[in-house]
Amino acid sequence: GENVEQHPSTLSVQEGDSAVIKCTYSDSASNYFPWYKQELGKRPQLIIDIRSNVGEKKDQRIAVTLNKTAKHFSLHITETQPEDSAVYFCAALGEPGRGSTLGRLYFGRGTQLTVWP
Amino acid sequence: DAMVIQNPRYQVTQFGKPVTLSCSQTLNHNVMYWYQQKSSQAPKLLFHYYDKDFNNEADTPDNFQSRRPNTSFCFLDIRSPGLGDAAMYLCATSREILRMNTEAFFGQGTRLTVV
Repeated sequence: GENVEQHPSTLSVQEGDSAVIKCTYSDSASNYFPWYKQELGKRPQLIIDIRSNVGEKKDQRIAVTLNKTAKHFSLHITETQPEDSAVYFCAALGEPGRGSTLGRLYFGRGTQLTVWP
Repeated sequence: DAMVIQNPRYQVTQFGKPVTLSCSQTLNHNVMYWYQQKSSQAPKLLFHYYDKDFNNEADTPDNFQSRRPNTSFCFLDIRSPGLGDAAMYLCATSREILRMNTEAFFGQGTRLTVV
């Protein structure tokens, strides 16, 4: 099956600085990579995703990059704000019927991001 | 506006005493998932239902069972909880089997404590 590694496990930044979270995956059949944000006491929510045929995607202050050859993808948050503080999970997904990931979502361990005012 | 609702939010059970966690959804989604998330670890898929079709992960212990009596409800039964089963249990749904641009919607989770 798929193995998703996520680093760092904790990240503290000053408000206004950038934050970068990195993930690697093992199964080359994975072709979709969502990122979830989980605020304290709340449910994980999808914030951005990227497909394998795209190298980069941006949505306001959030961007994701994907390197399929190296099997790694990253989340970039610019101009961080205190409300960005949360646990961020990366995940990898394969198309049903192709490879071992078969429509299953495999998560990284999560990164606790703290943004100090 | 909660679309995936898990009850209870916190559950304390005794070692070896059967416990059931509940998940309901108002999205009319075909697929429902149960994930186990232990402290500082990645959420781990236990099993999922596509409609009434049950799909167990190969490494899910036999101690964990699930029922889906109708589209809206799905239950996680732990027959004999051990201390190692203490975790956050997340329920999720998706309209179809997850693929690109099919979003998974999560409940808030049930935190299970085994005493």
